[in-house]
Amino acid sequence: DARVTQTPRHKVTEMGQEVTMRCQPILGHNTVFWYRQTMMQGLELLAYFRNRAPLDDSGMPKDRFSAEMPDATLATLKIQPSEPRDSAVYFCASGLVWQANTEAFFGQGTRLTVV
Amino acid sequence: AQKVTQAQTEISVVEKEDVTLDCVYETRDTTYYLFWYKQPPSGELVFLIRRNSFDEQNEISGRYSWNFQKSTSSFNFTITASQVVDSAVYFCALSGITGGGNKLTFGTGTQLKVEL
Repeated sequence: DARVTQTPRHKVTEMGQEVTMRCQPILGHNTVFWYRQTMMQGLELLAYFRNRAPLDDSGMPKDRFSAEMPDATLATLKIQPSEPRDSAVYFCASGLVWQANTEAFFGQGTRLTVV
Repeated sequence: AQKVTQAQTEISVVEKEDVTLDCVYETRDTTYYLFWYKQPPSGELVFLIRRNSFDEQNEISGRYSWNFQKSTSSFNFTITASQVVDSAVYFCALSGITGGGNKLTFGTGTQLKVEL
């Protein structure tokens, strides 16, 4: 049963620390999304990649967030330094894009708490 | 710019009632896709359905049905004979070809509570 795998599932960290979240997309999927979910803002798109190249990261605070795909099986989202307002659930999703058909399958999310 | 509006923040029904979740969208793309996702209390987002902009045929899958009306830019979701297990947050989403790429824009979600 193919699924998107995110690690860690939960992370509690102190303000100022670096946080790295990892995502293993479904094998063969060429599009990867990072979303953030909060009560106030709902689901916000932070960044997305196609064929490992970043296509849009306009939703991401550039000064502290960075997203990369070192290879086709790993996507990372890094926050440095973390702040309490970064507390949220971060979802990774992957999809097989064909003629603009973006059907994304989501991981279980990483619940981040910054204290 | 793309926008998805789910005006119903929360709906409560009694089991076996039918319930319709509304979704209205805005896009300048002529080709686009609409989606519904379910987020149960466990937190993961579960894909339910995808429709493309040139196929307005309604779809039924078991107790679920979807009504896509391009004229009103709506893509509503109906659950027939609701069950407690249907309790979740339901998100409508839109994807279109904008700026050479695709991205999913989500509505704010509708919390559905089905009670005994």
